[in-house]
Amino acid sequence: EAQVTQNPRYLITVTGKKLTVTCSQNMNHEYMSWYRQDPGLGLRQIYYSMNVEVTDKGDVPEGYKVSRKEKRNFPLILESPSPNQTSLYFCASSSNWLSYEQYFGPGTRLTVT
Amino acid sequence: AQSVSQHNHHVILSEAASLELGCNYSYGGTVNLFWYVQYPGQHLQLLLKYFSGDPLVKGIKGFEAEFIKSKFSFNLRKPSVQWSDTAEYFCAVNVPSGGGNKLTFGTGTQLKVEL
Repeated sequence: EAQVTQNPRYLITVTGKKLTVTCSQNMNHEYMSWYRQDPGLGLRQIYYSMNVEVTDKGDVPEGYKVSRKEKRNFPLILESPSPNQTSLYFCASSSNWLSYEQYFGPGTRLTVT
Repeated sequence: AQSVSQHNHHVILSEAASLELGCNYSYGGTVNLFWYVQYPGQHLQLLLKYFSGDPLVKGIKGFEAEFIKSKFSFNLRKPSVQWSDTAEYFCAVNVPSGGGNKLTFGTGTQLKVEL
């Protein structure tokens, strides 16, 4: 089954404790992206990657890092999480950057206390 | 930068009522337009999309949307809603560019369909 998977689905952590949210897709997609969803703000793009080893900032990149060492994986790293990063995070992928239809993962609900 | 406005934040309808959710975007050039749906506890799913051609597009589950370029609008419609349509609906726009495949989302409309 073609899908985007994220782990963990739920995470409660404390301020300053480094964490990684994994994202993996099995569709051989080139383009991957991270969004955060906050009430009243919709979804905002954090980072995106057009291909392996190619990443760039989205609209709200502060406090986040990403890497794209393999085509299928695009982990989101929070080096020092803060409470304002409490949010619902979605990973998405599409076949390439010209393909505007994106497939979303199930989401990761992160709480930083 | 482009932006997307969804003016209805919460909509409550009875089953069989007709639905229209508004979506307006701000960008003067060519855009690609989408409606996504997020059922409770689930991830976003694509309802329909408009790239070019016929401005009336039909999607899954009986939804349709009309692109009106002069009004910068892409409203979502369904003639008769069902209880199972209870979900949050997001309009999104993409500006074809070399800067990546970014979707700019509206703030969402929470639809509740009552029996």
